[in-house]
Amino acid sequence: AQSVTQLDSHVSVSEGTPVLLRCNYSSSYSPSLFWYVQHPNKGLQLLLKYTSAATLVKGINGFEAEFKKSETSFHLTKPSAHMSDAAEYFCVVSGTGGYNKLIFGAGTRLAVHP
Amino acid sequence: GAVVSQHPSRVICKSGTSVKIECRSLDFQATTMFWYRQFPKQSLMLMATSNEGSKATYEQGVEKDKFLINHASLTLSTLTVTSAHPEDSSFYICSARVPGRTGELFFGEGSRLTVL
Repeated sequence: AQSVTQLDSHVSVSEGTPVLLRCNYSSSYSPSLFWYVQHPNKGLQLLLKYTSAATLVKGINGFEAEFKKSETSFHLTKPSAHMSDAAEYFCVVSGTGGYNKLIFGAGTRLAVHP
Repeated sequence: GAVVSQHPSRVICKSGTSVKIECRSLDFQATTMFWYRQFPKQSLMLMATSNEGSKATYEQGVEKDKFLINHASLTLSTLTVTSAHPEDSSFYICSARVPGRTGELFFGEGSRLTVL
C-alpha cells in the first residue's frame, strides 16, 4: 500500500529565506510523486512531479524537489520565499491501480512573514 | 491547456434540498474524473471516480445514494448532494486526468457548499 507523510503541519519563514517542506512516502513499487499547492478557497495547482526520470525535479515558481529512494523522501524546497508562496502544500503519491488514485498527505501550511 | 472548471464556486442551500455541482474539462476530453471532499484545514478525501458512460466507483464509506455522480459526456461530470444536511457542508473539488499526461491530475477551483 502507498502512503505519504508530511512531517510538518505548519512552516513559517521570513520573506527571502529558504523554504523546506518535508515529505516521506511509502510505496511497494516505484512511485510517482507530486507536490500540489492550494491557495485559500481555491483548487489545487501542480507544482512539480517525479515519474522515475531525473531525481531532482524542477517545478514552477522556483520550487524544486529531490527524490531520495534510500530515505524514501521527496522534500520540497525553494531558495527564497516570496509572500505569494503562502499557501497549503500537499505531497501526493500515486496509489494502486496505476495513476487513477492519488493519495494525499495531510498538508503543510506555509506562512511567509515580511 | 488542461483547464477544469467547476460551478458553482459557492452555494448555500436549506437542509433537505438537493444541490448539483458541475465539473467541466474545457479544452480536453476526460474519460475519468475524480471527486474529492475537503474539510476545513484538512487534506483531500477521494469520494468517487467518475467514468464517462458508466457508473461511478465510490470509495468505502461514501454513500452513493447521498452523493449522486453522473458523467454523461467526455467533458462533464456532475455531483448531486441529495437531501443535504448541515454535515454535508464542505469544500468539494473535482479533478480530471488528461490523456497522455502521465500521472497528472488537473483540478477545478472547488465548490463550497453550506447547508443551513
